[in-house]
Amino acid sequence: QKEVEQDPGPLSVPEGAIVSLNCTYSNSAFQYFMWYRQYSRKGPELLMYTYSSGNKEDGRFTAQVDKSSKYISLFIRDSQPSDSATYLCAVPGAGSYQLTFGKGTKLSVIP
Amino acid sequence: KAGVTQTPRYLIKTRGQQVTLSCSPISGHRSVSWYQQTPGQGLQFLFEYFSETQRNKGNFPGRFSGRQFSNSRSEMNVSTLELGDSALYLCASYLDGGSYEQYFGPGTRLTVT
Repeated sequence: QKEVEQDPGPLSVPEGAIVSLNCTYSNSAFQYFMWYRQYSRKGPELLMYTYSSGNKEDGRFTAQVDKSSKYISLFIRDSQPSDSATYLCAVPGAGSYQLTFGKGTKLSVIP
Repeated sequence: KAGVTQTPRYLIKTRGQQVTLSCSPISGHRSVSWYQQTPGQGLQFLFEYFSETQRNKGNFPGRFSGRQFSNSRSEMNVSTLELGDSALYLCASYLDGGSYEQYFGPGTRLTVT
């Protein structure tokens, strides 16, 4: 079983829709969870960073962690065409800065 | 504050050659990690440096090597290039000391022909 699994999509939604992006992880020792956004031919950009379980909100973005089910989610409200990108979940190992990434979900927001 | 810079942005090399890629971290960041990104494998960890010492290494052959200088700038080297080394090579910089937030550069796109 891979340490971090993410549905690669692609996911296509109309402008204004609520988007839900998800990852599962296998190692219960993971404590920190990140979401990166990567536009085509660019480096990943850190979008959200959460610790342990619960929700964290930043503007239209909400990151949610459910440690009991080892499930992490990113919600995008009122999605915009500029949100079209690949979204990657990432976790650092226990006591390590090495990030393990999901494969990424490619999102297209259609005007 | 300037972000992570990587040079060159694009490279085309021939099989068997070697290549050196450079990364300058965010000012004040002492840690640098390198990742390889391919369509098939996604982002894979190569190695991590802190204060000029390699702290961690991923599962890549010895042809991949790196180093970090006293000013925290880092280089990675790939010798005897193979077609499968074609990828986007990304450098991430971070503060270390408890914060796991890592910031990536734009990457170097290497094409091996």
